[in-house]
Amino acid sequence: NAGVTQTPKFQVLKTGQSMTLQCAQDMNHNSMYWYRQDPGMGLRLIYYSASEGTTDKGEVPNGYNVSRLNKREFSLRLESAAPSQTSVYFCASSGNRRGSYNEQFFGPGTRLTVL
Amino acid sequence: EDQVTQSPEALRLQEGESSSLNCSYTVSGLRGLFWYRQDPGKGPEFLFTLYSAGEEKEKERLKATLTKKESFLHITAPKPEDSATYLCAVQAVVVSNYQLIWGAGTKLIIKP
Repeated sequence: NAGVTQTPKFQVLKTGQSMTLQCAQDMNHNSMYWYRQDPGMGLRLIYYSASEGTTDKGEVPNGYNVSRLNKREFSLRLESAAPSQTSVYFCASSGNRRGSYNEQFFGPGTRLTVL
Repeated sequence: EDQVTQSPEALRLQEGESSSLNCSYTVSGLRGLFWYRQDPGKGPEFLFTLYSAGEEKEKERLKATLTKKESFLHITAPKPEDSATYLCAVQAVVVSNYQLIWGAGTKLIIKP
């Protein structure tokens, strides 16, 4: 069981370039999430997918798009990168119990720098 | 406005010196409070979920407690391997099941 995997681990982009961050989970979880983490701030939710076929905006969705490719995979796309998007990006997934919150399992993160 | 505040920002202890980390929250209604541990360069790792005031959870040298306004993470006789950033998050009743409000974390350093 690999848990949650993310690629790439590191990336440097120039302003205006595009890229896609990949995430996959092998725990048969319904829900998946994309967060960004910046120094001195809590994790901020960018987008989430409650179940396969659905996606919803989180706290900071501007400048990002997502795709829930199938139950396992959830990608995050930056169409035109900006320096303000320099951050560490985490993907997470959570399980399937109804009526209660399920703890989230996180990937190792992608460290993105936009010059 | 729903908010989660963690204190202190950083805490340095000698090995064996017990202490507590604080997570205070202001939400319209608490559905659950969560503690995570994050090591440098890694993703957060789930520790505990607390649902109601008075609840306590324990794991090795860690014990989490919950009141109506705050949660404490007590660390008893810590070891250097307990050094990490500890994150607190809250799920509020009026927010969807899928969105958490995160604190900025407390960086714990245990010196041998």
